[in-house]
Order: sequence, then C-alpha cells, then structure tokens
Amino acid sequence: GAGVSQSPSNKVTEKGKDVELRCDPISGHTALYWYRQSLGQGLEFLIYFQGNSAPDKSGLPSDRFSAERTGGSVSTLTIQRTQQEDSAVYLCASSLALGQGAGGYTFGSGTRLTVV
Amino acid sequence: ILNVEQSPQSLHVQEGDSTNFTCSFPSSNFYALHWYRWETAKSPEALFVMTLNGDEKKKGRISATLNTKEGYSYLYIKGSQPEDSATYLCALTDSWGKLQFGAGTQVVVTP
Repeated sequence: GAGVSQSPSNKVTEKGKDVELRCDPISGHTALYWYRQSLGQGLEFLIYFQGNSAPDKSGLPSDRFSAERTGGSVSTLTIQRTQQEDSAVYLCASSLALGQGAGGYTFGSGTRLTVV
Repeated sequence: ILNVEQSPQSLHVQEGDSTNFTCSFPSSNFYALHWYRWETAKSPEALFVMTLNGDEKKKGRISATLNTKEGYSYLYIKGSQPEDSATYLCALTDSWGKLQFGAGTQVVVTP
C-alpha cells in the first residue's frame, strides 16, 4: 500500500482480555517500529524490527507485551491480560532501513486502545 | 536513553500571530533531530530532519533552527492559522536510528 496501515483504528476491551494490534508497513521497508502515547505523555518506544535481526524489545513495559513480524512484513503487537494503564494510542512506523533519516520514517494513524 | 524535553507543553495562539517553541536535548553524541506534526486521529507527519549545527529548515510558514552545541532546536510558526493546530513532536535519533521523542507541544490556534 501507499502508507503504513494499522488496524483496528479503535479498540475498547475489558480489563484482563488479550488484544492484538496489527501493522502493515510500506512494502519494501525493512525497519518497523512500535510506539505508544499514553494520555499526557510523549511517544514511548516499545520495540523495533530490522530485517532478520533479533528485535530490540528494550521498550516493552512488561512481559504481557509481545510483538512479532512475520515474513519481514506485517507486525502484530499483542497485549495479554490488559490493564487500564495500557490504554494509549499505539503507533507503528516503518522505514527503508534502520536509521534511514530525512523523513524516512512513515507512521500509521495508530490504534486507540481503551481498557475498561 | 536520550532525554528530549519540549516546552511549553501547550500553547494558545491567536490567528495571525507568530509563535515558537523549544526542544532541548543532550548536546553530546548528537546524531539527528526530527520535527513531526501530529493531528488527532492522523499519522504524525515529518516536517524536518536536521543534522548540522546551525541548520535552518523552512516549509511554508514553519521553520526550524538547530544548535547542537548548546542542545536546542526552535520551531517557528509565522502567521498562525487554525489548520496549524496540532501537537508538534521533537525526536532525536541515536546512531542506531531509534527515535526518542519528547512529550510534544500542543498548539491551539484560535480564530
């Protein structure tokens, strides 16, 4: 596609349920990033994938969070046993290669997750 | 972790007025600074990427300057319009390319 696609755009879930958020990056982009913005906070790095290298998971806030990227393309962020503090906008971005600057990062429009 | 600070947190501007706000960062190990514009329910839009001390970039009525020695960047909006209302995000990349964002400056332009 022309841009980074995320689904769903909005998700309301009950506390304790698992959720899956999907990101479809721009075709050919080898680097993929997940960020989230909680209310009143800045964008917080969660995880990135670069080609076949092991992902950098250093930003994942707990072991309830996991992500995978199948075939170097689509990525899924899974949150198990959701908590209210997981409520945030989850953004995905992709770029041609890790560190490809000069506007090389393209963001999706995000998934707004609300845990009730 | 790169500590990126933006101020003010929010800004109310009258249509037609000009405004500016700041992004501060550690001056050591600087690699690149990015400005993004983020409107609600839309994707963050890349405005500028700046790498050199003294860099100045311009896009329409929006411009930015960079001082890597003292660790700050200014974003300027000239003659603000309601469509400029958005959150403006500053981010630094380290040598690995990972973006570290500030909390953003929310700009509200009132007619």
